[in-house]
Amino acid sequence: DAKTTQPTSMDCAEGRAANLPCNHSTISGNEYVYWYRQIHSQGPQYIIHGLKNNETNEMASLIITEDRKSSTLILPHATLRDTAVYYCIVRDGYSGGGADGLTFGKGTHLIIQP
Amino acid sequence: GAGVSQSPRYKVAKRGQDVALRCDPISGHVSLFWYQQALGQGPEFLTYFQNEAQLDKSGLPSDRFFAERPEGSVSTLKIQRTQQEDSAVYLCASSFDKISYEQYFGPGTRLTVT
Repeated sequence: DAKTTQPTSMDCAEGRAANLPCNHSTISGNEYVYWYRQIHSQGPQYIIHGLKNNETNEMASLIITEDRKSSTLILPHATLRDTAVYYCIVRDGYSGGGADGLTFGKGTHLIIQP
Repeated sequence: GAGVSQSPRYKVAKRGQDVALRCDPISGHVSLFWYQQALGQGPEFLTYFQNEAQLDKSGLPSDRFFAERPEGSVSTLKIQRTQQEDSAVYLCASSFDKISYEQYFGPGTRLTVT
């Protein structure tokens, strides 16, 4: 019962902005949108999360549509090291975040081209 | 500081053998999670601990899988009578407390059952 839909793969040129879309049309009011990424042979790494406002940190920006049915993760200046599988995850915030396991889908394989 | 560590990094077991996989979470982290990642798939939640209490084991695929965290720090995932379908990467993650939004993942243990 996947809560999110992401493209299987995407390419982006090095130095350009990478925009990764995610659809979560059944998201409920207390659910957050999280993004993690997994570089080959490593464990997943947290990137960013948000509820309804756009968020930015040192790694990326998260743009959530007003109806919250979709979002976009933006890597402003992609490098070769950003090649990874990116997972968009919807998660209930009521429990406080850390108490629940994450439900990963298959994610988007982002390939940064030199 | 030190991140989440897991050992062994690789394990080959013959079908029917028992295996034990170890996770050392970040010091002081209250919450600990185990995930299973099959080849080409996203991680799937197995079980969750808050300190030494196992609060959720809904993701454990069978009664051959057992996890413990007796002193609220190091955790062990044990698989009895391994089967070929148990071949996967087993990931451990920890978070500071139950209201933390970020889970920190270890590098995983790749289990191959022959």
